[in-house]
Amino acid sequence: AQSVTQLGSHVSVSEGALVLLRCNYSSSVPPYLFWYVQYPNQGLQLLLKYTTGATLVKGINGFEAEFKKSETSFHLTKPSAHMSDAAEYVCAVTGANSKLTFGKGITLSVRP
Amino acid sequence: DAGVIQSPRHEVTEMGQEVTLRCKPISGHDYLFWYRQTMMRGLELLIYFNNNVPIDDSGMPEDRFSAKMPNASFSTLKIQPSEPRDSAVYFCASSLTGRMNTIYFGEGSWLTVV
Repeated sequence: AQSVTQLGSHVSVSEGALVLLRCNYSSSVPPYLFWYVQYPNQGLQLLLKYTTGATLVKGINGFEAEFKKSETSFHLTKPSAHMSDAAEYVCAVTGANSKLTFGKGITLSVRP
Repeated sequence: DAGVIQSPRHEVTEMGQEVTLRCKPISGHDYLFWYRQTMMRGLELLIYFNNNVPIDDSGMPEDRFSAKMPNASFSTLKIQPSEPRDSAVYFCASSLTGRMNTIYFGEGSWLTVV
């Protein structure tokens, strides 16, 4: 079985500040990890994913995430927040099949 | 290419009525998933199919919920009878075989039961 923990439900940053959204996982098999973004009234869109290889993964809109096996983490970062980054961000992990397990998501607000 | 298509986008219905949500997955995808999203619980997997066969329906809340996939290009999620606590956003998603493959989501069906 697999699970995802995203502590907290809301993060607020100033425009231009660093964005750090935390994700920890548990998995009985080597994990494949995903970050999705959900804008208001829309479906989920893939930001980035880690499967194998390089542990630092770059995604769309300037986001990146680093897989750290020792810490069972896959935190999402962006050096400089933009107003358009305001959305809900959801971390997910696949287990031994194609079943995707999601965290509860974090709402990112960006202050002018 | 067309993405996952869901209908209706929005539905308001009265308690006790039957609700049918529809989904057309991305052509060629062999996995189809139904998720429910609420503020309290986040995204929950209800059921998923592989090659039109239900694989895991352990997330279906109760017998009032049922899902079918009569062919590779169509699936339905039915709630009968509906209750106010069923109010949520229901997402359909599809993917290719392989757990590294991205799951693509539709835009959701926003259900309100009054």
